[in-house]
Amino acid sequence: GAGVSQSPRYKVTKRGQDVALRCDPISGHVSLYWYRQALGQGPEFLTYFNYEAQQDKSGLPNDRFSAERPEGSISTLTIQRTEQRDSAMYRCASSPGTALNYEQYFGPGTRLTVT
Amino acid sequence: GQQVMQIPQYQHVQEGEDFTTYCNSSTTLSNIQWYKQRPGGHPVFLIQLVKSGEVKKQKRLTFQFGEAKKNSSLHITATQTTDVGTYFCAGPGGRGSTLGRLYFGRGTQLTVWP
Repeated sequence: GAGVSQSPRYKVTKRGQDVALRCDPISGHVSLYWYRQALGQGPEFLTYFNYEAQQDKSGLPNDRFSAERPEGSISTLTIQRTEQRDSAMYRCASSPGTALNYEQYFGPGTRLTVT
Repeated sequence: GQQVMQIPQYQHVQEGEDFTTYCNSSTTLSNIQWYKQRPGGHPVFLIQLVKSGEVKKQKRLTFQFGEAKKNSSLHITATQTTDVGTYFCAGPGGRGSTLGRLYFGRGTQLTVWP
């Protein structure tokens, strides 16, 4: 079946603009995670959802970052007033269960470049 | 806070040589997961270890979870060029608000030359 999809795959934006990154998880997966991955580093946790409920957003860097998953499926990560330091690969992952003994399936990521 | 440390950061081997990457946590882990990321790709789940002292094998890959559940290792026997990539370990948060998050190590980047 289809895996996790993310769009856009690449996004170039000017400093100060808002961006919205979309994640479409595997059908039926109840948990959805957002990560940021710098080159040469492991994925850094941002936030996660069980169904539509945001469980932990303490990994979001500051209040310019927000995420939602209103119907428990597709999720959007929004970055307001982008800054150059926001440039990174943003990855989404989904999991079939709510507990952390389930594997996570990662999407291809969105490469964000802020100029 | 929770940290997952991984060593070495880089490993270059000749095809046929063995490879090992080590993962250490500052706290006891309920489980540990291993992922592989090919160059230009995304992390792909390999395995999960849950029990103290657990050893699991996948063909040429052997995964171990330490007795104290604070460390883990991945050993590849007789590496092949298809093993190239970055190997990450990841452990869950301990308790409370961090329970649901996975902490990834920095990864070990494996290069195999023929």
